[in-house]
Amino acid sequence: GAVVSQHPSWVICKSGTSVKIECRSLDFQATTMFWYRQFPKQSLMLMATSNEGSKATYEQGVEKDKFLINHASLTLSTLTVTSAHPEDSSFYICSANLRGNTEAFFGQGTRLTVV
Amino acid sequence: AQSVAQPEDQVNVAEGNPLTVKCTYSVSGNPYLFWYVQYPNRGLQFLLKYITGDNLVKGSYGFEAEFNKSQTSFHLKKPSALVSDSALYFCAVRDGYTNAGKSTFGDGTTLTVKP
Repeated sequence: GAVVSQHPSWVICKSGTSVKIECRSLDFQATTMFWYRQFPKQSLMLMATSNEGSKATYEQGVEKDKFLINHASLTLSTLTVTSAHPEDSSFYICSANLRGNTEAFFGQGTRLTVV
Repeated sequence: AQSVAQPEDQVNVAEGNPLTVKCTYSVSGNPYLFWYVQYPNRGLQFLLKYITGDNLVKGSYGFEAEFNKSQTSFHLKKPSALVSDSALYFCAVRDGYTNAGKSTFGDGTTLTVKP
C-alpha cells in the first residue's frame, strides 16, 4: 500500500520556539493532506486540510497563525507550530488520500513536547 | 454533518474468544466506513473499509466488519481474539458524495485481550 512518512517521530522544544513537522507521501502524489491532533486517550481531531498550491483550510477553533501549513509540492506538507507553549504538547498525525482512492494513509505521528 | 459513536471506551475479552467493537455512524450522504488500529505512540493502521458491495467486509489480521444500513452500524469483529490484538481501535466515516476526503473519527475503544 501507499506510504506516508512523518518526521520527526518525536521532538522536545522550549517554550516560545517554533517546530516544523513534515509529512511526505513516499510513493504517490497527494493533492490533499490532512493534519490531526490527538490528546492522550482521545480521538483524532482534524485541524486542517492542506491543499497543494493553495492555502490550507482550517477547522473551526484552530488558529491558522499558530499552526502554519504549507503544501508546496504533491508529496510534501509541513505543519509549523509557532511560538510553542506547553499546551501545544500533543500527538500530531497527518494523512493523505490517493487521487480517487477512498482510503486514507496515515503517517506514524509526531509526539511534540513543549517544556 | 457526519459523526461516529463508539459506545464502549473499553472492551475486555479472553484470548480465543470472539470479540466485537461497536460503531454507529451518522452521515447525510453515502457512508464510507473505516476501522483503524493504533498502538502506543504510533500512527493509525488501516484494518478494513466499506465503500459498496457486500455488507460483510474482511480486513487485515482476521478482522471483519458488517455494514448494517438500517441500524447505521459498522461493528468490528474477530472470531478468535489474540493477546496481540490489544490496542486502541477507531471507527471513522466519510461522506462519499462530497469526496472531500475529511474523515470523522469515533472516540476510540481500547481492546484488551487477556491470556
